[in-house]
Amino acid sequence: DTGVSQNPRHKITKRGQNVTFRCDPISEHNRLYWYRQTLGQGPEFLTYFQNEAQLEKSRLLSDRFSAERPKGSFSTLEIQRTEQGDSAMYLCASSLMAQQYFGPGTRLTVT
Amino acid sequence: QQQVKQSPQSLIVQKGGISIINCAYENTAFDYFPWYQQFPGKGPALLIAIRPDVSEKKEGRFTISFNKSAKQFSLHIMDSQPGDSATYFCAASGETSGSRLTFGEGTQLTVNP
Repeated sequence: DTGVSQNPRHKITKRGQNVTFRCDPISEHNRLYWYRQTLGQGPEFLTYFQNEAQLEKSRLLSDRFSAERPKGSFSTLEIQRTEQGDSAMYLCASSLMAQQYFGPGTRLTVT
Repeated sequence: QQQVKQSPQSLIVQKGGISIINCAYENTAFDYFPWYQQFPGKGPALLIAIRPDVSEKKEGRFTISFNKSAKQFSLHIMDSQPGDSATYFCAASGETSGSRLTFGEGTQLTVNP
């Protein structure tokens, strides 16, 4: 399978804990995007990378969030000191040009 | 300026009918307009996309109509099938903003057998 993969698919954590998600993009894609989707809403942009450079961060991305893409391959999204409001589906997408292909997402539940 | 407005919020269609979902945007810097289909618990899947230099694009049963002057675009699903029942999102992006997607609110489509 050469699509975008995300791990884990589901994560349940207690408030205040740190969590890290991983995204593996389609291999030749140089752009990688993170979005957050809450129930009944469209995905909202969080941040994106071109190769290893993080080029833009949304105001939604508080200082508790950090993302990396070492060597321009896979990416990680870390949330520190999780809050109940962080509960959402975290989606990763990759692209070579305008067309973005999404992974299956990581469902985060903060209890 | 960055919003994409989508309607209707929900749509019920009989099998074999035509499903029509509409979107409007504000930012004239947008130059790419995709539609995504999403099933519960899954990531969005790219269905079809259009650029503003054409007014219509057809792929199988799916057609996008684009009106640049009105800043509106729509998705038509011909011969709708129960398997088309899903949530549909329109989106827009512009190269000047790194091609990040701005999504509409979504339309939950139900196709009755």
